[in-house]
Amino acid sequence: QVQLQQSGPGLVKPSETLSLTCTVSGDSISEYYWTWIRQPPGKGLEWIGYVYYTGSANYNPSLRSRVTLLVDTSKNQLSLTLKSVTAADTAVYYCAKELSAPDGNKWRDALEIWGQGTLVTVSS
Amino acid sequence: DIQLTQSPSFLSASVGDRVTITCRASQDIDLYLVWYQQKPGKAPKLLIYAASTLQSGVPSRFSGSGSGTEFTLTINRLQPEDFATYYCQQLNNYPVTFGGGTKVEI
Repeated sequence: QVQLQQSGPGLVKPSETLSLTCTVSGDSISEYYWTWIRQPPGKGLEWIGYVYYTGSANYNPSLRSRVTLLVDTSKNQLSLTLKSVTAADTAVYYCAKELSAPDGNKWRDALEIWGQGTLVTVSS
Repeated sequence: DIQLTQSPSFLSASVGDRVTITCRASQDIDLYLVWYQQKPGKAPKLLIYAASTLQSGVPSRFSGSGSGTEFTLTINRLQPEDFATYYCQQLNNYPVTFGGGTKVEI
C-alpha cells in the first residue's frame, strides 16, 4: 500500500518561495502520476497540477507562471515549488496518487491516496 | 474552466436518513466525475469515480449517478461517521476543477 509523507516549512514570508516535499513509500514513484492539491483554510479544493517521473507535468493556468512540480526517482520523492507567494497562497497543500482501478485502468486525476497535508501560512 | 455547482451547500440530516447531493457541470463532462468525502483536519477520501463506480472499501450505502452535466451522490441510511463535507471533481478537461462542497451536518 502506497503511503505519502509530506514535509516542509509551515511559514513562508511574502514574496519568497514555498517548497514542499512528498516522500512515497510502498511502491515505485515511477509507476504513477502524482498530483498536488491545495485548500485555503475553510475553503474548497484547488488543483495545482500533476507530474510524472519523466518530468512531464501539467499545471493549473492560474499558477503556471509560479509553480514547478518535480519527481526525484532516486529518493522516491515529489516536490512542489511556488515562487513569489502572497497571503492568497496560504493553504493546506496535499500530494496525492492517481487511482489504480481494480480493472487495471489508471485514472490520472482521480486521487485515491493522499498525503497528510501541510498547512503553509504566508506571513511576515 | 469547467464550473461545478454543488447543491445544497449545507444539509442538516439525522442518522438513518437518505441524503442526496447534486453536482452540476457548466458543460458536458460525460462520466468523468469523482466524489470525495472530507472530514475536518483530514485529507479527502475518494468515494466514487466514473460517476457511479464505488471505490474499493467504500460502504455500499454510498452511490453515484448521472452523466453529462448533472450528477448525484446518494447516501442511504446515514451513519454517524458520514457527517462530513463532500466534493465533486471533474476530470474531463484541464484544469481539473472541484465543486464548492456540501457540508452534511447533524
